[in-house]
Amino acid sequence: DTEVTQTPKHLVMGMTNKKSLKCEQHMGHRAMYWYKQKAKKPPELMFVYSYEKLSINESVPSRFSPECPNSSLLNLHLHALQPEDSALYLCASTQGAGYTFGSGTRLTVV
Amino acid sequence: QKEVEQDPGPLSVPEGAIVSLNCTYSNSAFQYFMWYRQYSRKGPELLMYTYSSGNKEDGRFTAQVDKSSKYISLFIRDSQPSDSATYLCAMTLNSGGYQKVTFGIGTKLQVIP
Repeated sequence: DTEVTQTPKHLVMGMTNKKSLKCEQHMGHRAMYWYKQKAKKPPELMFVYSYEKLSINESVPSRFSPECPNSSLLNLHLHALQPEDSALYLCASTQGAGYTFGSGTRLTVV
Repeated sequence: QKEVEQDPGPLSVPEGAIVSLNCTYSNSAFQYFMWYRQYSRKGPELLMYTYSSGNKEDGRFTAQVDKSSKYISLFIRDSQPSDSATYLCAMTLNSGGYQKVTFGIGTKLQVIP
């Protein structure tokens, strides 16, 4: 299995909702990442998990809450988002150089 | 000055043409150099990565790194309409135990049948 699987593919949520994004990989990669990508921009790093521990938080607002339940799973919990948080949310994993990205969750906040 | 500079395009070429995509960078500490292909509304797909100066070939794709000039290139031979996508260069350096990636802005490529 050489894939990173993200669910759901699309999500529309209101500003008062709570939702979660899920990411799964079975490549044995010990580093997992959440990225945010706006249209016509490169991906921007949000969080880094290394060996299931949060190692990097790129000053992300607390309305985004990451969780790594085990070495194969990564979640991103969303609460009280703003319309400007609408974007493609990408999960990636790596063991060394070269990230493997998932297809992303396209999030729309209304 | 941005750490990684990449022309956003768009770049339009006829089918069968040789495509040259380029990035320059300013940080000599970058260790790995990568090219990603991203189709619309999809995640980036790793095409090639290399560590050292020189050329690396994989099918129709050739990645070239010139560390002395801080310049990397991706060549696509016999371009196909299916190559139409945004191509992101990316470079990494070791930061606190993980590979911190800096992406270029991406070049949008259109291959016309």
